[in-house]
Amino acid sequence: QLQLQESGPGLVKPSETLSLTCTVTGGSLTSITHYWGWIRQPPGRGLEWIGSIYYSGSTFYNPSLKSRVTISVDTSKSQFSLKMSSVTAADTAVYYCARHLGSYYFHMDVWGKGTTVTVSS
Amino acid sequence: DVVMTQSPDSLAVSLGEGATINCKSSQNVLYNSNNKNYLAWYQQKVGQPPKLLIYWASTRESGVPDRFSGSGSGTDFTLTISNLQAEDVAVYYCQQYYSSPLTFGGGTKVEIK
Repeated sequence: QLQLQESGPGLVKPSETLSLTCTVTGGSLTSITHYWGWIRQPPGRGLEWIGSIYYSGSTFYNPSLKSRVTISVDTSKSQFSLKMSSVTAADTAVYYCARHLGSYYFHMDVWGKGTTVTVSS
Repeated sequence: DVVMTQSPDSLAVSLGEGATINCKSSQNVLYNSNNKNYLAWYQQKVGQPPKLLIYWASTRESGVPDRFSGSGSGTDFTLTISNLQAEDVAVYYCQQYYSSPLTFGGGTKVEIK
């Protein structure tokens, strides 16, 4: 059964770079029929799509975050990663990784449990 | 961006009764070439990640009880929960994947009356 697991620091200082990794187990990151994405949820608020990646490395970003975000993939480790630069308190959120179902970055059928990132000095 | 507007923000329903959640998109999310609505519904319980319930506006994800159903087309969509169970207490989100950026509705909280 496919599982996703986010990992990374739970506390990041303002102006620094947030780095998270999503490890895929029980399935293949190189599936040609799936994209992989990052979504975040600030405390008590709704969901925001950050961006998605294909195993080939093709990326798609939310324009509102694009200038600060890089998503990459390491197929040898079955991982994909998120880097977000120049973070502020507004980036405090639960960060989820997820698998898109279908041949593009469509709906998401498998989600990680999420990891809480707090931006604070 | 396609703005997704959900209503109501919250609702309280008696056990065994039905619940209706509405979602309106600011732009059409029906792709004419394949006649599919690029609209999904998710359920999020407290402390858990979202769970996919419905995609293509009306296709139920495997394992989802048939008391959950999705309908609508174009810009207006509905998630219906019939025979509400205690385990259905959650926040429900709609999401469009017709165009980038992917966007979600603000959520509808369903509680037991």
